[in-house]
Amino acid sequence: KQEVTQIPAALSVPEGENLVLNCSFTDSAIYNLQWFRQDPGKGLTSLLLIQSSQREQTSGRLNASLDKSSGRSTLYIAASQPGDSATYLCALPGKAAGNKLTFGGGTRVLVKP
Amino acid sequence: KAGVTQTPRYLIKTRGQQVTLSCSPISGHRSVSWYQQTPGQGLQFLFEYFSETQRNKGNFPGRFSGRQFSNSRSEMNVSTLELGDSALYLCASSPDIYEQYFGPGTRLTVT
Repeated sequence: KQEVTQIPAALSVPEGENLVLNCSFTDSAIYNLQWFRQDPGKGLTSLLLIQSSQREQTSGRLNASLDKSSGRSTLYIAASQPGDSATYLCALPGKAAGNKLTFGGGTRVLVKP
Repeated sequence: KAGVTQTPRYLIKTRGQQVTLSCSPISGHRSVSWYQQTPGQGLQFLFEYFSETQRNKGNFPGRFSGRQFSNSRSEMNVSTLELGDSALYLCASSPDIYEQYFGPGTRLTVT
């Protein structure tokens, strides 16, 4: 059974600092890994999807890396802004066919002006 | 393209009642998944429907059920509501086994 962990649970940084968010998973036989952002009381916004064959994926200030052998993914957010304050979640699909995602507990980020 | 839509957005029900939530996926997406999010348990998978068939099921009691229509719209039903069913219910759509796109959620409060 895939288990996904995100540490730390919360993070506070001053504006302009780079953010580093961690995601660990127990089963390295993954299909892909997805990073999401969630604002309070809202749905999830997909940020990046990394296929198992990729080492990293980039979108603007966001960069996600994937190391299957060590069971880790890292989301980097460059030059953080107050608007980046949100909860960030990583998720992986299970081995069975279909779209059953297992989520980490999330990291709640606060970027202080 | 329009995103995933969920109705209603907010709902208040009493213990013992039943509730039906609706989800309309992105046009062309045949997979619809449902998740429950609570502060204590985080995000948990309920079930997934693909082309009107349940393809995956999570570890929830039989009070939680769902279905998918030929136009890919999906509904989930919770019978005999309990206080612990209070949660944000999220729907996600996908063209197959790819990136999932989530709706805004339905906030259910059981009193």
